Amino acid sequence: DTGVSQDPRHKITKRGQNVTFRCDPISEHNRLYWYRQTLGQGPEFLTYFQNEAQLEKSRLLSDRFSAERPKGSFSTLEIQRTEQGDSAMYLCASSWSGVTGSYGYTFGSGTRLTVV
Amino acid sequence: DAKTTQPTSMDCAEGRAANLPCNHSTISGNEYVYWYRQIHSQGPQYIIHGLKNNETNEMASLIITEDRKSSTLILPHATLRDTAVYYCIVRVAGGNQFYFGTGTSLTVIP
Repeated sequence: DTGVSQDPRHKITKRGQNVTFRCDPISEHNRLYWYRQTLGQGPEFLTYFQNEAQLEKSRLLSDRFSAERPKGSFSTLEIQRTEQGDSAMYLCASSWSGVTGSYGYTFGSGTRLTVV
Repeated sequence: DAKTTQPTSMDCAEGRAANLPCNHSTISGNEYVYWYRQIHSQGPQYIIHGLKNNETNEMASLIITEDRKSSTLILPHATLRDTAVYYCIVRVAGGNQFYFGTGTSLTVIP
């Protein structure tokens, strides 16, 4: 297992375009999270999945953002009609949540989005 | 989840122990203390976590005070590669998200 993989590592897009990011979690992990990180700040929670179900969404996740995790495997995060304020690092993480509670996350290296 | 307070930045000489403090005075009995670090342009990396007892692993030691209102992460022999932002987070077991805050920027000086 090579850990959590994110693709692409960098994305430059023009304002108003749609972008999609992919995350491949650690295979035995049932939880998958998306976070966003802007310069000088810690990561901020966006949403998470347990298996294929999206169980929680942050207020930061506007209606231009949509996330999916078909079949409980990889996940995609799409941003429609991108704005300059969407420029950030988008981080994916996965974890196992057993009966006794979840443990630490394993993060991917992130996708850095620049909207010009 | 309880909030944490960390110094904004710290320096440490290479080879010395780095002691990173964290205050979490409103921590609840079922909340764990987690430490992550983030090296520039990488995703955060899990370091260690604990509930009541002190914990040690190959990366660091975590010392939690008896009243659980504060903790210290100890990197026993800091190297240049330990230069990173260190985040202290408290969260219930099974919680859905981590609140990272702005962390402590540790610089290890040669």
